[in-house]
Amino acid sequence: EAGVAQSPRYKIIEKRQSVAFWCNPISGHATLYWYQQILGQGPKLLIQFQNNGVVDDSQLPKDRFSAERLKGVDSTLKIQPAKLEDSAVYLCASSSAANLNTEAFFGQGTRLTVV
Amino acid sequence: AQSVTQLDSQVPVFEEAPVELRCNYSSSVSVYLFWYVQYPNQGLQLLLKYLSGSTLVKGINGFEAEFNKSQTSFHLRKPSVHISDTAEYFCAVSDQAAGNKLTFGGGTRVLVKP
Repeated sequence: EAGVAQSPRYKIIEKRQSVAFWCNPISGHATLYWYQQILGQGPKLLIQFQNNGVVDDSQLPKDRFSAERLKGVDSTLKIQPAKLEDSAVYLCASSSAANLNTEAFFGQGTRLTVV
Repeated sequence: AQSVTQLDSQVPVFEEAPVELRCNYSSSVSVYLFWYVQYPNQGLQLLLKYLSGSTLVKGINGFEAEFNKSQTSFHLRKPSVHISDTAEYFCAVSDQAAGNKLTFGGGTRVLVKP
């Protein structure tokens, strides 16, 4: 079974530029999560989708971050404009349902460096 | 609001020695607790979880954890570590009041020495 795919693996951009990350969840998984993991910290949930609808985006900095999952399958997370403090690993995860009896599977992440 | 504290940022341990990683949480309601492992340049992998029932939870790769409600702890243990256990370990908590959203601790880096 293919896992959660993310691209690119690494990205370096200058501050004030824009960047986009892509995630393809495990086939059939209805729930998709984006997490931000700053160096030395645990992951922080940015946004959770159930199919193509947003369940929780309370910790998403909406002035610069946006995410979509138009067809309820793959998802894109965008940052525009980027700040130095956005340097982090962005992890995508998916699960078959939005409850804790179902395991969330994580991708390898995209490491973003803003200079 | 829920929070998780992992008291040790790094734990060096010799191969075949036991290891314990400490995790304390705060939450106002009944909680669900998790331990994840992150190998270098990899995503997170679930080691074990406590949802209800027996307070001693066994997970993959020989790890186990014990839920202690009175001490609000969920410490992770392994009786004998291998070199391959070198990784970062994250404790996480969730509860129904948070909509089942996971809150992670800061992580504990385990370095197994030969």
